[in-house]
Amino acid sequence: GAGVSQSPSNKVTEKGKDVELRCDPISGHTALYWYRQSLGQGLEFLIYFQGNSAPDKSGLPSDRFSAERTGGSVSTLTIQRTQQEDSAVYLCASSLLAGKGDTQYFGPGTRLTVL
Amino acid sequence: DAKTTQPPSMDCAEGRAANLPCNHSTISGNEYVYWYRQIHSQGPQYIIHGLKNNETNEMASLIITEDRKSSTLILPHATLRDTAVYYCIVRVDPINTNAGKSTFGDGTTLTVKP
Repeated sequence: GAGVSQSPSNKVTEKGKDVELRCDPISGHTALYWYRQSLGQGLEFLIYFQGNSAPDKSGLPSDRFSAERTGGSVSTLTIQRTQQEDSAVYLCASSLLAGKGDTQYFGPGTRLTVL
Repeated sequence: DAKTTQPPSMDCAEGRAANLPCNHSTISGNEYVYWYRQIHSQGPQYIIHGLKNNETNEMASLIITEDRKSSTLILPHATLRDTAVYYCIVRVDPINTNAGKSTFGDGTTLTVKP
């Protein structure tokens, strides 16, 4: 596709359940980023992939959060035992390289609601 | 990452220029200044970026002070559709830090009024 896509667009789950969020980056982009945005707040960095490896996991808020990327393309963000404070919009971005000044292009996000 | 400071909100009349300031006084020499905007319920949209020279594209102009401690995003003829949250960010140099992440602040909510 022409841009970054994410699925599902909306996810409602019960507290304690696991969820998986998917990101399809722009074809050929080697770098992929996950952010989240809580209601009324700015973007919070979660994790970054260069190819299939994640050199920077510093933003993951707890060990309930994990992410993987396979084939240098699709990435999945998994949240285990979801809590209400996990409710947010989860945004994925990709860039051609992780080089100096490289532009990130964002997807539309997945709105997660934990009841 | 260098932190950025932006006013929380600004108003602008339709058709007039919108000038959005950003302070990044701790920016280092190899960090770029990026601007994104986020229209309600959508993902962030790239606007423009620069290192030290002023930049212009079809969306906006970016003016960076000579000491690089602040910058201004200019939307020359604001329209109602430009109402959004505008984020000024500074990118970490991934070669030195092995991190290509961007740190976003709270941004400026620009409201364009008719």
